[in-house]
Amino acid sequence: QPVLTQSPSASASLGASVKLTCTLSRGHSSSAIAWHQQRPEKGPRFLMNLNSDGSHTKGDGIPDRFSGSSSGAERYLTISSLQSEDEADYYCQTWGTGIRVFGGGTKLTVL
Amino acid sequence: EVQLVESGGGLVQPGRSLRLSCTASGFTFGDYAMSWVRQAPGKGLEWVGFIRSKAYGGTTEYAASVKGRFTISRDDSRSVAYLQMNSLKNEDTDVYYCTRENGGYSINWGQGTLVTVSS
Repeated sequence: QPVLTQSPSASASLGASVKLTCTLSRGHSSSAIAWHQQRPEKGPRFLMNLNSDGSHTKGDGIPDRFSGSSSGAERYLTISSLQSEDEADYYCQTWGTGIRVFGGGTKLTVL
Repeated sequence: EVQLVESGGGLVQPGRSLRLSCTASGFTFGDYAMSWVRQAPGKGLEWVGFIRSKAYGGTTEYAASVKGRFTISRDDSRSVAYLQMNSLKNEDTDVYYCTRENGGYSINWGQGTLVTVSS
């Protein structure tokens, strides 16, 4: 069963860029993941799916400021030109036959 | 526009049952797997289970924490997915989200419905 590890928190200044990390457990380093955003008091929103080669497909209406990349077992979500509305929790998700797994989430604070 | 609307949440006593519904629109419901995800207050997301489309047998899978107590079903004619929750425990108190899946991951989410298990 895969496990996803995320740092509990991150922060960056308004207008800057931030790179969030999701690490896949041993034996699952080639798995694809999905990134989701959850703003305060809202339901989650799908951002993108991200493959091991860094290719990704974004959800409808997701701004170009959001991008994904990969390196080994790590999957990244980069947000550029940070805006106040980007302050949210970010979750990664992976899957296998008969199972779905979420990371613990990263709370992003925009300073 | 894809819409997923959960309903059926509320206050229920421990040991009792509750059924949640997820009414979908904006896509061909029968073509997609549907999943349920829950979130305790102030906590992260926890996968509950999913149901495959009829093309893949319409079978179900569950997280260990709910297996044997929760059952997911679907009515493709009405574009509705259900989560039947039996033998509810205090720790099942969560917001429950319905999601549309695509190849294993959630691509659309509902707004969630709150279930509170308390005596």
